[in-house]
Amino acid sequence: AQKVTQAQTEISVVEKEDVTLDCVYETRDTTYYLFWYKQPPSGELVFLIRRNSFDEQNEISGRYSWNFQKSTSSFNFTITASQVVDSAVYFCALDTGRRALTFGSGTRLQVQP
Amino acid sequence: GAGVSQSPSNKVTEKGKDVELRCDPISGHTALYWYRQSLGQGLEFLIYFQGNSAPDKSGLPSDRFSAERTGGSVSTLTIQRTQQEDSAVYLCASSPGTSGGSFYNEQFFGPGTRLTVL
Repeated sequence: AQKVTQAQTEISVVEKEDVTLDCVYETRDTTYYLFWYKQPPSGELVFLIRRNSFDEQNEISGRYSWNFQKSTSSFNFTITASQVVDSAVYFCALDTGRRALTFGSGTRLQVQP
Repeated sequence: GAGVSQSPSNKVTEKGKDVELRCDPISGHTALYWYRQSLGQGLEFLIYFQGNSAPDKSGLPSDRFSAERTGGSVSTLTIQRTQQEDSAVYLCASSPGTSGGSFYNEQFFGPGTRLTVL
């Protein structure tokens, strides 16, 4: 069975602080994809990143970076120099090719000005 | 181009009534998904359509829930005899479907329909 755990229910930071959102996954499949989605107050899920299980290179995109470690089954997401516009619920998801994404319960990030 | 659209954006209904939720996927996308997001929860898979294949209904919570996809495009999710526990945001997503035999495609989500059952 697949499972995604986002242990942090809610995080509050002050603008310009760095923040890391944790994601731990479980699967017996050796081939899979991991995703991060952002859900702003408007409600629409916005795709952020997709990584496959064979690529453990960390990725950086502007203020966003992702740390994928198969040894600990983790795919953590860091926002550097957070901004108020980063306030949203962030979901980590797992795709093992069984057609549907398995989502974590989400982490609500509040960035205070 | 246009993204995934859903209608209505909000629906309030009385317990016991039937409701229909509509999803218009991105043109050309062969895969379509329905998810449910209850308050403060993650997304729960409901049903998946891929081209002309039989849908994967493994996530539907009860036989009160059904969905169809006409002409490989628009999809309707129907909930019969609604219950208060059906209150949630219903999200639709589409993706290009299989690519070189891979299911691992990015899913594009619609804005959702917020269903409230009184």
